[in-house]
Amino acid sequence: DAKTTQPPSMDCAEGRAANLPCNHSTISGNEYVYWYRQIHSQGPQYIIHGLKNNETNEMASLIITEDRKSSTLILPHATLRDTAVYYCIVRATNFGNEKLTFGTGTRLTIIP
Amino acid sequence: NAGVTQTPKFQVLKTGQSMTLQCAQDMNHEYMSWYRQDPGMGLRLIHYSVGAGITDQGEVPNGYNVSRSTTEDFPLRLLSAAPSQTSVYFCASSYSKVAITQYFGPGTRLTVL
Repeated sequence: DAKTTQPPSMDCAEGRAANLPCNHSTISGNEYVYWYRQIHSQGPQYIIHGLKNNETNEMASLIITEDRKSSTLILPHATLRDTAVYYCIVRATNFGNEKLTFGTGTRLTIIP
Repeated sequence: NAGVTQTPKFQVLKTGQSMTLQCAQDMNHEYMSWYRQDPGMGLRLIHYSVGAGITDQGEVPNGYNVSRSTTEDFPLRLLSAAPSQTSVYFCASSYSKVAITQYFGPGTRLTVL
């Protein structure tokens, strides 16, 4: 699986959009980009995933660049409950979940 | 659905003691796994199972045993606890090995003295 690079920490004001970047310059054509988050002391929670098109669900939007070498997770109106560690992961579609690698992620702090 | 449940939430052991961390899911998921998370580090896979009767080792299996006698349950056994096994343990499940979404339990915080 391709490696990912994320900033270790970010702050965002409550009510503003939080934009979390992820670099995955070695991504292969059959690798999806996944985002999970981990709120303090809880298990990770799936947020969203995508291959090459932008995706949106009730939690977030995922913007993937045309060359697929980077992506941005957008939380449109951040709340205090969005304070968490966010993990960007890439995984080939035919690889099992045992291949999923959770790095150290980005610690997002929402500031009141 | 209760989702993925783990017991206990907290546990303190002495070096050399044994114990079993319980994990259960009620979503009829084939795939289940155990991770450990240490301070400042990501999650590391200990063992996983793709179905009842089938288990395999992950990245850090030493000191841990698993079995999968039913679809619902996937217990993790520490045979002789060591201080290096002090960690937070998470169980996860997904519909299949290649399913997009994994569901994680709330974790068990284990301290070995």
